[in-house]
Amino acid sequence: AQRVTQPEKLLSVFKGAPVELKCNYSYSGSPELFWYVQYSRQRLQLLLRHISRESIKGFTADLNKGETSFHLKKPFAQEEDSAMYYCALHFNKFYFGSGTKLNVKP
Amino acid sequence: ETGVTQSPTHLIKTRGQQVTLRCSSQSGHNTVSWYQQALGQGPQFIFQYYREEENGRGNFPPRFSGLQFPNYSSELNVNALELDDSALYLCASSFDPTEYNEQFFGPGTRLTVL
Repeated sequence: AQRVTQPEKLLSVFKGAPVELKCNYSYSGSPELFWYVQYSRQRLQLLLRHISRESIKGFTADLNKGETSFHLKKPFAQEEDSAMYYCALHFNKFYFGSGTKLNVKP
Repeated sequence: ETGVTQSPTHLIKTRGQQVTLRCSSQSGHNTVSWYQQALGQGPQFIFQYYREEENGRGNFPPRFSGLQFPNYSSELNVNALELDDSALYLCASSFDPTEYNEQFFGPGTRLTVL
């Protein structure tokens, strides 16, 4: 069963525009959710985790249990935000979504 | 503190052959997880080792096997290679298996099966 869904393969926005990367999950318990990022020619790395309720590089993500979503948001996109973003759920093991490529245009 | 390393970077094999991929975890990390990432997909969990014992497995057949050694190195072995095994293989290390500990990923090994 698909645990994590990222409906957009590619998202293009202009610099300074708001950005929202969508993530929906299927899990009936209390999920632990994460966002990972992979910049060009770099390795996959943790961006933020739900449990920390933190803002990293201006990004935030709110868990909405009713909509089973964990969308990643940033009010003003920067060119350096261009990367591949993966949403992940941990339930005994990590389940990753298929990823969304964010392209921030100048 | 050194990062996670993987070898080789690239590998080409033919169908039916066997392959061994290697990973060196970050010092002090007792947990290593292996993932398969097909083109255009997210990483898919293969299995995890914690203190040299398998600690969870994804939906992969038994021809995918692993080992973890006391020196923070580990191996992923794949027997009877199939064309669909062509993918990027990632290892990730963490201090322990709980989700609260950050996974640190290696750069991956690109396996091509012809």
